[in-house]
This record gives sequence, structure tokens and C-alpha cells, in this order.
Amino acid sequence: DAGVTQSPTHLIKTRGQQVTLRCSPKSGHDTVSWYQQALGQGPQFIFQYYEEEERQRGNFPDRFSGHQFPNYSSELNVNALLLGDSALYLCASSAYSGDRVQNIQYFGAGTRLSVL
Amino acid sequence: AQTVTQSQPEMSVQEAETVTLSCTYDTSESNYYLFWYKQPPSRQMILVIRQEAYKQQNATENRFSVNFQKAAKSFSLKISDSQLGDTAMYFCAFMKNGNTGKLIFGQGTTLQVKP
Repeated sequence: DAGVTQSPTHLIKTRGQQVTLRCSPKSGHDTVSWYQQALGQGPQFIFQYYEEEERQRGNFPDRFSGHQFPNYSSELNVNALLLGDSALYLCASSAYSGDRVQNIQYFGAGTRLSVL
Repeated sequence: AQTVTQSQPEMSVQEAETVTLSCTYDTSESNYYLFWYKQPPSRQMILVIRQEAYKQQNATENRFSVNFQKAAKSFSLKISDSQLGDTAMYFCAFMKNGNTGKLIFGQGTTLQVKP
């Protein structure tokens, strides 16, 4: 049973560029959440996708956008990259049960983004 | 807004000994979940233990147990018989109950287990 997979593992971009990160959820999961983890800090919630729609959003600018596909995989897009966007980006998946999100999230190994 | 605080940036323990990591949180919610996640150098965040706020009994998972004090809004993690593989960063996290999947994390505690 494959867990949460993220690609690429590492990425180097320059200021002003755009980047797309990808996530495949754990088998049987239909909800994907994205987190940004700065070096030495705890992860910060970016947004969550379910049924191909953004359901919740954290305190991140519109430069951060996402998408969920019918197979539940997801992309995180960041436009106009800033030096401060350098971080580990984590994807987590979970499963809906009835009308609530299962409260256990399973994480991928993340994408390390460096902005020069 | 909910906040999670881990006041111990770094801790160390000798192999086979017991260590306790502290976590406090602030919320006005009555129903919620608390978690401890472990993040080794491989970066993958791994769930260690989960506590449902409406349950008074403290959660345990093998060598890992919690001391959940709801009134004090405290949620500490005890690791017994520490092993070298326990070396990692540990994060305490909060989630509201209901239709939500947003985890709020603390700043983390780096734990080093020494041989």
C-alpha cells in the first residue's frame, strides 16, 4: 500500500519564477492538505482540497494556489516566488467519513524548495 | 484562534531512559484532537500518538504515552525505554473536531537519544 508520495524531492528556483509541486494521496484517501515548513519551525497550514474544491485556507497570499484532480491527486502552485518561500512543502492526505474529515493525516516526505 | 506551544527547543536522553516532552495549547473549543508527530531527518512526518479531548483516559502506544490535562490545556509526551531511533524532531499538534482537517503545530522539540 503506497503512502503519500510527493514530487519532486528537491527544487531550485529563482525569484519571480513559478513552481508546481505534486502530491498523490494514500490509497483510499480523498482529501489533501498542504503545509509549509520553514527550517526549524513547525508546519503551517496552506489549504485543503476535497472533491476538487478548496475547502479551507490558511493565512497565505493568493500567490499560493492549488488544484485537485478526479483521482484525488493534488498540485500546489506558487507564483512570483520570493526568497521567503524557501521551505519544505508537505502534503498530507486523509479520508472523509460521513460528513467529517477523518482526523488522522498521513504525510509525504515533502518537497524542499530553494528560492535563490 | 488556537495556538500550540512547545517550550523545549532541544532535549537529550540516554538510551533506555525515560523522557517527557511538554506541550501546552490554547483553545475555546470543547471538542478537539491532539497529536504528537515525529519528524526524523528523512523529513517524513510520522504520527506517534493521538488523544481525543472528550476521553479522560490518557492514550498509550507501546513505549509512548501522554499526560493529557484538559483543564490546564497541557499535553505532554512520555517516551519510555528510549531508543536511538527515537532521535527526531517532535511536534505537538491540535485539530478542531468536526468538518475540518487543519492541523495547528507547535514549534517542535528536537530530541537526541545518546548511546
